[in-house]
Amino acid sequence: EDQVTQSPEALRLQEGESSSLNCSYTVSGLRGLFWYRQDPGKGPEFLFTLYSAGEEKEKERLKATLTKKESFLHITAPKPEDSATYLCAVQDNYGQNFVFGPGTRLSVLP
Amino acid sequence: DGGITQSPKYLFRKEGQNVTLSCEQNLNHDAMYWYRQDPGQGLRLIYYSQIVNDFQKGDIAEGYSVSREKKESFPLTVTSAQKNPTAFYLCASGLQGPGELFFGEGSRLTVL
Repeated sequence: EDQVTQSPEALRLQEGESSSLNCSYTVSGLRGLFWYRQDPGKGPEFLFTLYSAGEEKEKERLKATLTKKESFLHITAPKPEDSATYLCAVQDNYGQNFVFGPGTRLSVLP
Repeated sequence: DGGITQSPKYLFRKEGQNVTLSCEQNLNHDAMYWYRQDPGQGLRLIYYSQIVNDFQKGDIAEGYSVSREKKESFPLTVTSAQKNPTAFYLCASGLQGPGELFFGEGSRLTVL
């Protein structure tokens, strides 16, 4: 059974304090790994897709990386507007289904 | 602009009533999904559909029903058989095959 876990559950950073969020997964065959940002009361906003180990994607202060067992979302010099819940999801090779992790709730304090 | 529209954004229901949540997309996506989100939990799949007139149960389909009569539309009915329907419901769509999902803004259902 495909599974996704995320750590930490919650993270509080000072503005400018870089850190990383972790997404660990077990999947029978990885078709894709996805990162989303979700603001309170809103739908998830797509950030990145990673398809194979060693792949990296960047967008502004965010950088996503992928290994065979986990993915990291690195946040460099975060700002208060980066505060949100970050969700990780995987899609396997055998179906159209996606499995989501519980998310990491990030707070960036000014 | 292309996107996914969910309505209503907020809905209140009395126990014993069925309610239908609307989801419309103009992204020309074949696949559409309904997820339920509860505080502190990941998104859980209710139903998904890969083509018109066909849909599959997800992990928590009991007490829910769907239809897919048009490519653009995938309404979800929360029936009175759903024991704990108060939740945030998210509709998503995507292309068949590998690739990301795109989400609507969600519908929050509260049972009084």
